[in-house]
Amino acid sequence: AQSVTQLGSHVSVSEGALVLLRCNYSSSVPPYLFWYVQYPNQGLQLLLKYTTGATLVKGINGFEAEFKKSETSFHLTKPSAHMSDAAEYFCAVSDYGAAGNKLTFGGGTRVLVKP
Amino acid sequence: DGGITQSPKYLFRKEGQNVTLSCEQNLNHDAMYWYRQDPGQGLRLIYYSQIVNDFQKGDIAEGYSVSREKKESFPLTVTSAQKNPTAFYLCASSIPGQPNQPQHFGDGTRLSIL
Repeated sequence: AQSVTQLGSHVSVSEGALVLLRCNYSSSVPPYLFWYVQYPNQGLQLLLKYTTGATLVKGINGFEAEFKKSETSFHLTKPSAHMSDAAEYFCAVSDYGAAGNKLTFGGGTRVLVKP
Repeated sequence: DGGITQSPKYLFRKEGQNVTLSCEQNLNHDAMYWYRQDPGQGLRLIYYSQIVNDFQKGDIAEGYSVSREKKESFPLTVTSAQKNPTAFYLCASSIPGQPNQPQHFGDGTRLSIL
């Protein structure tokens, strides 16, 4: 079964500083990986996804993530944090088989942006 | 615009009572999902359905039931057997059979016990 580990349940960054959120996965098949963002009392919004091809994936709001197969990682970065980036971020891996497609989520990382 | 509508946004349940959470989508997706979200635990899959009139248990199905009579609708019932139902519930949909496609989420229902 697939699993996802997000290091750090809370991250605090200063406005303008680098945002780095870590995600490691385990998968017995080639992984499809996703990053989602959740604002308070809302659903999840897709930031970006890795399927095949280029290992550096660009998403919305200036975020990007790099797929590293040798490290089984898919870390999310943004060069310069903005106050509007304060939210919770989830990494997920697609778990697919005969019973259909599912997503396995990490525990989430809550980002606090300090002025 | 297409999307997923969950209602109500807030729901209160008395002890011993069943409650039903609504999820409707107009994305023309065959696959639909229910997740439960608790602080620090990420999202956990309750039930999912790949096609009308068919559904499978997820990781935490005990105390919950679903139906899938229409493509657009996937209601979740939280039964009295669910002893700790207080949580944020999220519904999602996707294109089945394509694991490279993301799931789309509604804005959730927050369920609390009176």
